[in-house]
Order: sequence, then structure tokens, then C-alpha cells
Amino acid sequence: GAVVSQHPSWVICKSGTSVKIECRSLDFQATTMFWYRQFPKQSLMLMATSNEGSKATYEQGVEKDKFLINHASLTLSTLTVTSAHPEDSSFYICSARAPGGTRANEQFFGPGTRLTVL
Amino acid sequence: GNSVTQMEGPVTLSEEAFLTINCTYTATGYPSLFWYVQYPGEGLQLLLKATKADDKGSNKGFEATYRKETTSFHLEKGSVQVSDSAVYFCALNDYKLSFGAGTTVTVRA
Repeated sequence: GAVVSQHPSWVICKSGTSVKIECRSLDFQATTMFWYRQFPKQSLMLMATSNEGSKATYEQGVEKDKFLINHASLTLSTLTVTSAHPEDSSFYICSARAPGGTRANEQFFGPGTRLTVL
Repeated sequence: GNSVTQMEGPVTLSEEAFLTINCTYTATGYPSLFWYVQYPGEGLQLLLKATKADDKGSNKGFEATYRKETTSFHLEKGSVQVSDSAVYFCALNDYKLSFGAGTTVTVRA
């Protein structure tokens, strides 16, 4: 149980285009999902907290107009990188918070999406 | 604010050697503590966790004990294998996860 998927697993796009990344909780409902960015050989940087039915909360320094987050259902959050540029190339990882019980507050991670902007 | 300080790597070991990765934290309150492992090109997998002081998390031969007095959560494994080669992240959870910098471990046959 507690499986999180991401799609696509990797994407290559041209500079100036927009890219959408999906994060799904497959066997549980997640009212809260998180989006992280990871540069090569570095730790994960929290970009934003996505709450179902409300606006995302962005961390300081993250451009909300650049990284659009939508959490339209209890099992799906999307991250759209708008007008992508080469500096947006990175590994994007989402996680979903467990709903409660013995695994309350535990986050389950997706496999990540490798974005390369040419 | 919350923060995690993790032993810097990279760490290179021979098979069957003893592994320890130090992790200390700063937090208000009593967060849960985690160790995650990341294999090349993949997302994070939870390795083990501890939710309160003196709890010991264990999995796949790895262990870590939540030490409130020293604010530490060091990861240990008595006999590593080549398949343990990965990046290990210490993290604390106080609603949001705060990660350490990660430690790259390479185990040679």
C-alpha cells in the first residue's frame, strides 16, 4: 500500500514550452502533497505544499507563476513548469502525506521526473 | 527553524564493513525522524523511522536510535553489501520534511 506514481518519468522539451508533471496516490487519498526539486548530487528542496481544493503554499524563493500547482482531487496533484528554460532542468519529486492511523504524517514519494530543457 | 546536519560523504567501503552515517538535528518540539535511501535515477524510499525518543528504527540490517539527549539519529549497519550503494538522507518531520544534505555510500566487492 501507499504507492505514489509520477508521470512522465522523464521529459525533454524545448525552451519556452510548458511541461506538466502528474503525481498520483494510487491506493490512498492524499489531502496534502509536496513537490520537491533535486539538483545533481544535492538534497531535496521543498518547492511547495499542495492542498486539495485550495491554493498551493510556495516556499520562499519559488516563483508561483513559474511553477503552477493544481491539486484538483484527493489522488492527483500536477506541477506545470511554464515557459521552461534550461535552468529549470532538474529532477522533480512529489510526495503524498499518509491520511492517518499508524502512518500518520508519513510521506510517500513518487519515483521522480527528470526534466531536461534544451 | 528545523534543520538536519548529516555527515558529508562520499563514503567508500568494502563489502562486509561496518557503516555509520552521523545525523544530528535541531527542532522545536518532538519531530519524527527518518532515514531515506535513493538509488541512482530513482525517487526516495523510506528505510526506517522513529517517532519518539529512544525509539529504534530498523530495516534491512540498518538501525538508528532516536537520541533526544544528543539530538541525534545515526544510521548503522554491521555488514554492508554492494547493493547498499546509494545516497542516504536523514530527515525530520514536523509537518514538513527537512532533509540533510545526503551521504553517498559506495560499497566495493
